[in-house]
Amino acid sequence: SQTIHQWPATLVQPVGSPLSLECTVEGTSNPNLYWYRQAAGRGLQLLFYSVGIGQISSEVPQNLSASRPQDRQFILSSKKLLLSDSGFYLCAWSLGLAAYNEQFFGPGTRLTVL
Amino acid sequence: GDSVTQMEGPVTLSEEAFLTINCTYTATGYPSLFWYVQYPGEGLQLLLKATKADDKGSNKGFEATYRKETTSFHLEKGSVQVSDSAVYFCALMNSGGSNYKLTFGKGTLLTVNP
Repeated sequence: SQTIHQWPATLVQPVGSPLSLECTVEGTSNPNLYWYRQAAGRGLQLLFYSVGIGQISSEVPQNLSASRPQDRQFILSSKKLLLSDSGFYLCAWSLGLAAYNEQFFGPGTRLTVL
Repeated sequence: GDSVTQMEGPVTLSEEAFLTINCTYTATGYPSLFWYVQYPGEGLQLLLKATKADDKGSNKGFEATYRKETTSFHLEKGSVQVSDSAVYFCALMNSGGSNYKLTFGKGTLLTVNP
């Protein structure tokens, strides 16, 4: 069966510090991978998605970036965190490109920027 | 662009009450519709989905019917339990255009009291 892991589970970082959140998927090959952010009082916002190694599409311009160094690894990064980067970050995966393919979400990382 | 509007929360019910959470959408093409649930401190789980008009998704006593004529996908449950307390997200994925991402509503917090 497939599983998705995210770490760390929680993170408290000062403004201006770097960020690296990691997501890995097990039990499948060539998944589509996604990063979402859930800010307090708001819905989920897609940040990045990837359909293959080294292929990253950005949905919202900001000071975050994403990379996919391996087939089942997706990393969210920032060189300098802002207060507005606080939120709950969710990684997800799916197979196929059809509209009916559901996305499976990881447990999330709660980031607090102080 | 695509959008999802769901009723503002929070919704507070007593155990065994009837639940309705309204969801309407705007999209071109023929989207698939989803309800995700987020239990406290956890990531999102798919609750149910419908991929074409008049389809009914159901799971764990929850139901939602894809109504193309009213562009709606309302979530219902006949008798809620305390364990149903969670945030519920309505979402769509569009088969026309960018079919890689889910567009979410803002979420509805449901609290069920014993």
